[in-house]
Amino acid sequence: NAGVTQTPKFQVLKTGQSMTLQCAQDMNHNSMYWYRQDPGMGLRLIYYSASEGTTDKGEVPNGYNVSRLNKREFSLRLESAAPSQTSVYFCASRRGRDSPLHFGNGTRLTVT
Amino acid sequence: AQRVTQPEKLLSVFKGAPVELKCNYSYSGSPELFWYVQYSRQRLQLLLRHISRESIKGFTADLNKGETSFHLKKPFAQEEDSAMYYCALIHVVDSSYKLIFGSGTRLLVRP
Repeated sequence: NAGVTQTPKFQVLKTGQSMTLQCAQDMNHNSMYWYRQDPGMGLRLIYYSASEGTTDKGEVPNGYNVSRLNKREFSLRLESAAPSQTSVYFCASRRGRDSPLHFGNGTRLTVT
Repeated sequence: AQRVTQPEKLLSVFKGAPVELKCNYSYSGSPELFWYVQYSRQRLQLLLRHISRESIKGFTADLNKGETSFHLKKPFAQEEDSAMYYCALIHVVDSSYKLIFGSGTRLLVRP
């Protein structure tokens, strides 16, 4: 039982490049989330998926897109990376309302 | 609007001293609050939730609706408590549940 797995762990992009951050969970959780963590800002929700087939915007969705490919996988795409997207990205999942969030180990992204 | 505020970016105490990490919230409904912790080189994990009224690793947190606070307390801090602590609030949108986090407080426990 690996929990929440994120790939890659580190990535450096040039401004304007695109990439997809992958997230998979093996806990049969319904809801999945993408957060970004920035110094002094805490964790801010980018997008979330309450259940397979649905996605919704969070607090800071601009510049990102997501895909809930199936119940296990929830990917985050940067179509045209900008330096302001330099951050640590966390994927998380939860079974339901009364269950805690389970986090991945994070992806450290640098955009130059 | 829903919001979680953690006023202290850094809290430094000596081992054995009491600790209180502050958390205030703004929410129109009935709040459900959590504390998450991130130890060095580890992933974020749940520390405790207010509905459980539990004590984890010696930490407790009481929901005070009058003061809209959910402060995290421990009577005697240990060095291994050094970590980043996040207060979080469930925000219900239609039937979806989002977790909104505060900006975090780094706790440093000195020997």
